[in-house]
Amino acid sequence: DVKVTQSSRYLVKRTGEKVFLECVQDMDHENMFWYRQDPGLGLRLIYFSYDVKMKEKGDIPEGYSVSREKKERFSLILESASTNQTSMYLCASSPHWGQGLEQYFGPGTRLTVT
Amino acid sequence: SQKIEQNSEALNIQEGKTATLTCNYTNYSPAYLQWYRQDPGRGPVFLLLIRENEKEKRKERLKVTFDTTLKQSLFHITASQPADSATYLCALVAGGGADGLTFGKGTHLIIQP
Repeated sequence: DVKVTQSSRYLVKRTGEKVFLECVQDMDHENMFWYRQDPGLGLRLIYFSYDVKMKEKGDIPEGYSVSREKKERFSLILESASTNQTSMYLCASSPHWGQGLEQYFGPGTRLTVT
Repeated sequence: SQKIEQNSEALNIQEGKTATLTCNYTNYSPAYLQWYRQDPGRGPVFLLLIRENEKEKRKERLKVTFDTTLKQSLFHITASQPADSATYLCALVAGGGADGLTFGKGTHLIIQP
Protein backbone atom coordinates (compact mmCIF):
# COMPACT_ATOMS: atom_id res chain seq x y z
CA ASP A 1 0.00 0.00 0.00
CA VAL A 2 1.10 3.53 -0.73
CA LYS A 3 1.95 5.38 2.38
CA VAL A 4 2.13 9.13 2.73
CA THR A 5 3.19 10.38 6.13
CA GLN A 6 3.20 13.87 7.55
CA SER A 7 5.49 14.96 10.34
CA SER A 8 2.82 16.14 12.78
CA ARG A 9 -0.92 15.61 13.24
CA TYR A 10 -1.31 18.77 15.32
CA LEU A 11 0.87 21.86 15.49
CA VAL A 12 0.52 25.15 17.35
CA LYS A 13 2.74 28.06 16.34
CA ARG A 14 2.92 31.75 17.09
CA THR A 15 2.43 34.55 14.59
CA GLY A 16 5.68 35.36 12.80
CA GLU A 17 7.30 31.98 13.37
CA LYS A 18 8.81 30.03 10.50
CA VAL A 19 6.97 26.74 10.15
CA PHE A 20 8.06 23.56 8.36
CA LEU A 21 5.58 20.86 7.40
CA GLU A 22 7.19 17.66 6.18
CA CYS A 23 5.72 15.00 3.92
CA VAL A 24 7.25 11.66 2.94
CA GLN A 25 5.93 9.06 0.49
CA ASP A 26 7.26 5.55 0.07
CA MET A 27 6.04 4.59 -3.41
CA ASP A 28 8.61 6.34 -5.60
CA HIS A 29 5.95 8.73 -6.96
CA GLU A 30 7.11 11.57 -9.17
CA ASN A 31 4.38 14.03 -8.25
CA MET A 32 3.75 15.55 -4.84
CA PHE A 33 1.24 18.16 -3.74
CA TRP A 34 0.35 20.41 -0.83
CA TYR A 35 -3.26 21.42 -0.17
CA ARG A 36 -5.03 23.24 2.59
CA GLN A 37 -8.59 22.49 3.61
CA ASP A 38 -10.90 24.98 5.27
CA PRO A 39 -14.61 24.72 6.14
CA GLY A 40 -16.75 26.15 3.36
CA LEU A 41 -13.78 26.50 1.02
CA GLY A 42 -12.84 22.87 0.47
CA LEU A 43 -9.43 21.66 -0.62
CA ARG A 44 -7.20 24.20 -2.35
CA LEU A 45 -3.87 23.54 -4.03
CA ILE A 46 -0.90 25.49 -2.66
CA TYR A 47 2.11 24.05 -4.53
CA PHE A 48 3.04 20.92 -6.40
CA SER A 49 6.19 19.29 -7.68
CA TYR A 50 6.65 16.86 -10.54
CA ASP A 51 10.32 16.15 -9.99
CA VAL A 52 13.14 16.70 -7.56
CA LYS A 53 14.02 20.39 -7.24
CA MET A 54 11.03 21.31 -9.40
CA LYS A 55 8.03 23.23 -8.08
CA GLU A 56 4.92 24.83 -9.48
CA LYS A 57 2.50 27.27 -7.90
CA GLY A 58 -1.02 26.13 -7.28
CA ASP A 59 -4.08 28.27 -6.70
CA ILE A 60 -3.03 29.89 -3.41
CA PRO A 61 0.80 30.03 -3.11
CA GLU A 62 1.03 33.39 -1.35
CA GLY A 63 2.75 33.17 2.03
CA TYR A 64 4.13 29.69 1.33
CA SER A 65 7.20 28.14 -0.21
CA VAL A 66 8.21 24.52 -0.82
CA SER A 67 11.31 22.40 -1.06
CA ARG A 68 11.89 19.07 -2.76
CA GLU A 69 15.50 17.96 -2.37
CA LYS A 70 14.72 14.24 -2.50
CA LYS A 71 12.10 12.40 -4.50
CA GLU A 72 10.30 11.02 -1.47
CA ARG A 73 10.15 14.23 0.56
CA PHE A 74 8.19 17.45 -0.04
CA SER A 75 8.28 20.23 2.52
CA LEU A 76 5.90 23.15 2.91
CA ILE A 77 7.34 26.27 4.53
CA LEU A 78 5.44 29.13 6.07
CA GLU A 79 8.05 31.88 6.12
CA SER A 80 6.22 33.99 8.71
CA ALA A 81 3.11 32.31 10.01
CA SER A 82 -0.07 34.35 10.24
CA THR A 83 -3.42 33.58 11.85
CA ASN A 84 -5.10 33.23 8.45
CA GLN A 85 -2.84 30.24 7.81
CA THR A 86 -4.59 28.29 10.54
CA SER A 87 -5.91 25.31 8.61
CA MET A 88 -5.70 21.59 7.87
CA TYR A 89 -2.74 20.92 5.58
CA LEU A 90 -2.79 17.82 3.39
CA CYS A 91 0.05 16.35 1.41
CA ALA A 92 -0.52 13.99 -1.52
CA SER A 93 1.48 12.06 -4.08
CA SER A 94 0.69 10.46 -7.42
CA PRO A 95 2.51 8.39 -10.01
CA HIS A 96 3.82 9.96 -13.18
CA TRP A 97 1.18 11.06 -15.65
CA GLY A 98 0.09 8.19 -17.85
CA GLN A 99 0.20 5.74 -14.98
CA GLY A 100 -2.97 7.01 -13.42
CA LEU A 101 -3.64 10.27 -11.75
CA GLU A 102 -5.20 9.16 -8.50
CA GLN A 103 -3.68 10.93 -5.55
CA TYR A 104 -2.72 9.37 -2.26
CA PHE A 105 -3.15 11.63 0.72
CA GLY A 106 -1.45 11.79 4.07
CA PRO A 107 -3.41 12.05 7.33
CA GLY A 108 -3.11 15.84 7.46
CA THR A 109 -1.56 18.37 9.84
CA ARG A 110 -3.90 20.62 11.73
CA LEU A 111 -1.98 23.86 12.19
CA THR A 112 -3.10 26.55 14.58
CA VAL A 113 -1.36 29.93 14.48
CA THR A 114 -1.97 32.07 17.54
CA SER B 1 -14.83 31.37 -14.06
CA GLN B 2 -14.25 27.67 -13.46
CA LYS B 3 -16.51 26.09 -10.92
CA ILE B 4 -17.18 22.66 -9.46
CA GLU B 5 -20.45 22.27 -7.58
CA GLN B 6 -21.52 19.55 -5.22
CA ASN B 7 -24.61 19.62 -3.08
CA SER B 8 -23.43 21.38 0.06
CA GLU B 9 -26.31 20.09 2.15
CA ALA B 10 -26.04 16.74 3.85
CA LEU B 11 -27.71 13.84 2.08
CA ASN B 12 -29.66 11.47 4.33
CA ILE B 13 -30.35 8.00 2.92
CA GLN B 14 -31.97 4.96 4.47
CA GLU B 15 -29.74 1.91 4.82
CA GLY B 16 -30.10 -0.45 1.87
CA LYS B 17 -31.15 2.26 -0.57
CA THR B 18 -29.03 3.71 -3.38
CA ALA B 19 -27.31 6.98 -2.61
CA THR B 20 -26.72 9.30 -5.58
CA LEU B 21 -24.36 12.25 -5.36
CA THR B 22 -23.99 14.92 -8.03
CA CYS B 23 -20.99 16.84 -9.29
CA ASN B 24 -21.53 19.64 -11.79
CA TYR B 25 -18.80 21.71 -13.37
CA THR B 26 -18.59 24.79 -15.57
CA ASN B 27 -15.84 26.19 -17.76
CA TYR B 28 -13.80 23.02 -17.63
CA SER B 29 -13.00 20.45 -20.27
CA PRO B 30 -11.72 17.74 -17.94
CA ALA B 31 -9.77 14.80 -19.22
CA TYR B 32 -10.50 12.88 -16.01
CA LEU B 33 -12.87 13.11 -13.11
CA GLN B 34 -12.21 11.45 -9.78
CA TRP B 35 -14.18 10.69 -6.65
CA TYR B 36 -12.72 10.57 -3.16
CA ARG B 37 -14.07 9.68 0.26
CA GLN B 38 -13.07 11.67 3.32
CA ASP B 39 -13.75 10.76 6.92
CA PRO B 40 -13.56 13.39 9.69
CA GLY B 41 -9.98 14.36 10.58
CA ARG B 42 -8.47 12.24 7.81
CA GLY B 43 -7.11 12.75 4.33
CA PRO B 44 -9.24 11.93 1.28
CA VAL B 45 -9.08 8.38 -0.08
CA PHE B 46 -9.27 7.74 -3.81
CA LEU B 47 -12.30 5.72 -4.96
CA LEU B 48 -12.77 5.90 -8.71
CA LEU B 49 -11.45 7.65 -11.79
CA ILE B 50 -13.40 8.06 -15.03
CA ARG B 51 -12.02 9.37 -18.31
CA GLU B 52 -13.77 11.75 -20.68
CA ASN B 53 -14.35 8.98 -23.23
CA GLU B 54 -15.96 6.67 -20.65
CA LYS B 55 -19.64 6.88 -19.83
CA GLU B 56 -19.67 4.68 -16.76
CA LYS B 57 -17.30 2.99 -14.31
CA ARG B 58 -18.08 0.44 -11.61
CA LYS B 59 -16.26 -0.87 -8.56
CA GLU B 60 -18.12 -3.22 -6.25
CA ARG B 61 -21.12 -1.23 -4.93
CA LEU B 62 -19.91 2.02 -6.50
CA LYS B 63 -20.83 3.40 -9.90
CA VAL B 64 -19.76 6.64 -11.52
CA THR B 65 -21.15 8.22 -14.68
CA PHE B 66 -19.63 11.07 -16.65
CA ASP B 67 -21.66 13.17 -19.08
CA THR B 68 -19.43 15.74 -20.78
CA THR B 69 -22.42 17.24 -22.58
CA LEU B 70 -24.29 17.93 -19.34
CA LYS B 71 -20.98 18.66 -17.58
CA GLN B 72 -22.01 16.35 -14.79
CA SER B 73 -20.87 13.27 -12.94
CA LEU B 74 -23.12 11.10 -10.79
CA PHE B 75 -21.75 8.89 -8.03
CA HIS B 76 -23.93 6.00 -6.86
CA ILE B 77 -23.58 3.74 -3.84
CA THR B 78 -25.94 0.78 -4.04
CA ALA B 79 -27.13 -1.19 -1.01
CA SER B 80 -25.85 1.61 1.20
CA GLN B 81 -24.59 0.89 4.71
CA PRO B 82 -24.01 3.14 7.75
CA ALA B 83 -20.26 2.63 7.19
CA ASP B 84 -20.64 4.49 3.89
CA SER B 85 -21.37 7.68 5.86
CA ALA B 86 -18.63 10.18 4.98
CA THR B 87 -17.96 13.24 2.85
CA TYR B 88 -17.52 12.51 -0.84
CA LEU B 89 -15.44 14.80 -3.01
CA CYS B 90 -15.30 15.03 -6.76
CA ALA B 91 -12.15 16.33 -8.39
CA LEU B 92 -11.22 17.33 -11.90
CA VAL B 93 -8.03 16.96 -13.87
CA ALA B 94 -8.15 19.41 -16.72
CA GLY B 95 -5.50 17.82 -18.88
CA GLY B 96 -2.21 16.04 -19.04
CA GLY B 97 0.74 16.73 -16.84
CA ALA B 98 1.18 16.94 -13.14
CA ASP B 99 -1.33 19.65 -12.34
CA GLY B 100 -2.96 19.26 -9.01
CA LEU B 101 -6.59 18.34 -8.79
CA THR B 102 -9.33 20.91 -8.39
CA PHE B 103 -11.81 19.67 -5.81
CA GLY B 104 -15.45 20.30 -5.19
CA LYS B 105 -16.39 21.15 -1.61
CA GLY B 106 -17.89 17.74 -1.05
CA THR B 107 -21.24 16.27 -0.07
CA HIS B 108 -21.75 14.85 3.40
CA LEU B 109 -23.58 11.53 3.12
CA ILE B 110 -25.38 10.05 6.11
CA ILE B 111 -26.72 6.51 5.90
CA GLN B 112 -29.31 5.93 8.58
CA PRO B 113 -29.90 2.43 9.98
